[in-house]
This record gives sequence, C-alpha cells and structure tokens, in this order.
Amino acid sequence: GENVEQHPSTLSVQEGDSAVIKCTYSDSASNYFPWYKQELGKRPQLIIDIRSNVGEKKDQRIAVTLNKTAKHFSLHITETQPEDSAVYFCAASMRGFQKLVFGTGTRLLVSP
Amino acid sequence: DTEVTQTPKHLVMGMTNKKSLKCEQHMGHRAMYWYKQKAKKPPELMFVYSYEKLSINESVPSRFSPECPNSSLLNLHLHALQPEDSALYLCASSQDEERTEAFFGQGTRLTVV
Repeated sequence: GENVEQHPSTLSVQEGDSAVIKCTYSDSASNYFPWYKQELGKRPQLIIDIRSNVGEKKDQRIAVTLNKTAKHFSLHITETQPEDSAVYFCAASMRGFQKLVFGTGTRLLVSP
Repeated sequence: DTEVTQTPKHLVMGMTNKKSLKCEQHMGHRAMYWYKQKAKKPPELMFVYSYEKLSINESVPSRFSPECPNSSLLNLHLHALQPEDSALYLCASSQDEERTEAFFGQGTRLTVV
C-alpha cells in the first residue's frame, strides 16, 4: 500500500521567512495530494491540494509543487506569520478521500 | 452549510462505561468516516460508511461499534475501552467515497480512566 514520508518533523522560522515542508510517496498510482493544517486542539483543515496532472499550484502565500517522476511534493509558505504556527500534514491518495494516507506531520513554529 | 458537527466535544469515561459519539452533517454527503488521532500523530482511519453501509473497517477492535442510522448521522458506540483508547476522535464526510473534498468535524476529545 501507499506510504508517505514527511520531513522535517519540526520547523522553526522567524516571522517573514519562508518555510518548506517535503513529502515523498511510494505508490505511483497516487493522483491526489492534499495538505492539511491542524492548530492545537482543532480539526485538520485543507489548505491546498494538487492533482497529478498539475506540477504547481499557488494560493496567496501558499504553494505546492509536485514531481511525479521523483514521487515527491512540497508545501511552500512565504512571508510566514505567527498564525501559521500549527502542525501540517501532507497526504496522498489514489482513490478519493477513503484511501487518503497521511504523512507523519510537521510542527511549524513561527516566532515574531 | 459546510459543517460537520460532533458531540460531545469532550468525554471522560471509565473502562466499564458505555458511551456514544455522534456526528451530523447536512451537506447531502453520502460517505462518512471515523478517524482516531493520538497526540502528535496523523489521523488514522477507523471506519468508512458509504450510502449508510459499512464499506471499510480498518481492523478496529470490537469495543468500537459504528452505526449509521441515516444519511446525515454517524455514531460511534464505545464499550469497555482501555486507557490507550484515549484520543481525539474525528468524523469527516465527503460527497461520496470516491471524491477527494472532505470536511472534518471538530472532534471529540476522549479520555478513558
């Protein structure tokens, strides 16, 4: 089955810096790659996603890139703000939400 | 309305108790999910209901018993739990199990004493 690895496990940046979180997946059949943000004690929230027919997607300060050949995808956050502090999970699926496999999570801390 | 509502928000139960977690959505979604999330870990899929029928059981112990009384409601019945079952239990729904857009509820923080 699918296996998703995520790095780093923790990431500390200064406000205004950029943050990059990387994930690799094992199953070349995976075609959907979402990123979730989870603040302490709250639900995971979808912040951006990408499908295998697209190489890059951007939404304001957040972007995701996908390299199908290498089987890895990355989350890029620019101009980080303290409210970006949270745990971020990547995920991969070959068949809808029911087959979503999550990465292990990255705790991002943005210091003012 | 894009809300998935879970009750209760917090629950403390003894190992001999029987309790139920509830999840409700009114988006017309026909797939509903239960996840378990331990601290500092990703959510782990427990059950999937599709059109009110159980379609996936990820080898969950029988002390967890899911129920889908209708297309808007999903319950998780708990009995004889262990302290290691303490976790955040998340419900989610999607239009159907093949779709990728899904919404999580706020979760129930369960503590087994």
